[in-house]
Amino acid sequence: NAGVTQTPKFQVLKTGQSMTLQCAQDMNHNSMYWYRQDPGMGLRLIYYSASEGTTDKGEVPNGYNVSRLNKREFSLRLESAAPSQTSVYFCASKRDRGQETQYFGPGTRLLVL
Amino acid sequence: AQTVTQSQPEMSVQEAETVTLSCTYDTSESNYYLFWYKQPPSRQMILVIRQEAYKQQNATENRFSVNFQKAAKSFSLKISDSQLGDTAMYFCAFMKTFTSGTYKYIFGTGTRLKVLA
Repeated sequence: NAGVTQTPKFQVLKTGQSMTLQCAQDMNHNSMYWYRQDPGMGLRLIYYSASEGTTDKGEVPNGYNVSRLNKREFSLRLESAAPSQTSVYFCASKRDRGQETQYFGPGTRLLVL
Repeated sequence: AQTVTQSQPEMSVQEAETVTLSCTYDTSESNYYLFWYKQPPSRQMILVIRQEAYKQQNATENRFSVNFQKAAKSFSLKISDSQLGDTAMYFCAFMKTFTSGTYKYIFGTGTRLKVLA
């Protein structure tokens, strides 16, 4: 049982490049989330998916797109990376009502030059 | 809008001593959940403890306990017998449930705790 996995662990991009951050969970959770973590700002929600086939914007969605490919996978795409997107990105998942705890992946550190 | 405030950016404590991290939140909801997460240098987010707002009894997990004051909207974390492995960033988080059945979490900005030998 791997929990929540994220790839890659670290990535360097040039401004304007695109990339997709991958997230997968093997806990049969319905809800999945993408956060970014910046110094002094805690974790801010980018997008979330309450179930397979649905996605919704969070607090800071601009510059990002997501895909809930199936129940296990939830990817985050940067179409044209900007230096302001330099951050640590966390994926998380949660079961339905009655299990309110989120489980986090190890994070992806992204540097945009 | 819900907010979560952690007013102590950094704290330190001697090994084996007790330390309390503060967290306040703002909400008009009556039923919600509160969490403390720990983030060690590895960056992995680890759940420390959680509290359901409808429960008056304070949650405890071994050396970790909370002081939940619902009326004051305060949710502090007490760490007893501090250990070097407790050195980490600690985040307070609030979870809101929407009528649609979706959930959103709001995190504080974190408190960096250093346990001194």
